[in-house]
Amino acid sequence: QSVLTQPPSASGTPGQRVTISCSGSSSSIGTNTVNWYQQLPGTAPKLLIYSNSQRPSGVPDRFSGSKSGTSASLAISGLQSEDEADYYCAAWDDSLNGPVFGGGTKLAVL
Amino acid sequence: EVQLVESGGGLVQPGGSLRLSCTASGFTFSDYWMQWVRQAPGKGLVWVSRINSDGIRTLYADSLKGRFTISRDNAKNTLYLQMNSLRAEDTAVYYCGRVNGDHFDYWGQGTLVAVSS
Repeated sequence: QSVLTQPPSASGTPGQRVTISCSGSSSSIGTNTVNWYQQLPGTAPKLLIYSNSQRPSGVPDRFSGSKSGTSASLAISGLQSEDEADYYCAAWDDSLNGPVFGGGTKLAVL
Repeated sequence: EVQLVESGGGLVQPGGSLRLSCTASGFTFSDYWMQWVRQAPGKGLVWVSRINSDGIRTLYADSLKGRFTISRDNAKNTLYLQMNSLRAEDTAVYYCGRVNGDHFDYWGQGTLVAVSS
């Protein structure tokens, strides 16, 4: 069981906006920033969002992140077929003294 | 261009040992903390261990303490993970990653470790 909780699946049609939630605790998301990673099928994870809402160079502005209290969200607007992937949230956990991940959300573009 | 290339994975019997390597290029290796994350088949990401830039400070997931050892050789731009007393549940793809502040900004392609008799 993962320390951060994500829905196992999400879906949308091309052009739609979808959001993926990530719930943590006071020792993780409540105290530290949240990062999101995208894992395309058969590939290594890639940094998508860091420090709650920052996009690395090269990540389209269709992807956005937010955080409130002990929860965070990833939003993808203008959904495209190439967005089909697994998405993981992560944050440092002060109680565990290490980073923790969510269980991942598999996004399907219908 | 930042590159991280893992090696050393393979099939090992339960109770056996394996040493993974991660060779870095495209950045000043000795300036960064580094880490290992693993992913069991069909499962999510799990943090394994991290090491500071000069190799003095190490952190481990509680469940792995005592069996895994992380180390680095900054002269060779290489990160290591020594894995002992391997169990079936250690079967996973092991990724090395560069730590940048509170996040992991670059990941290797991963190396598969399979523990089976």
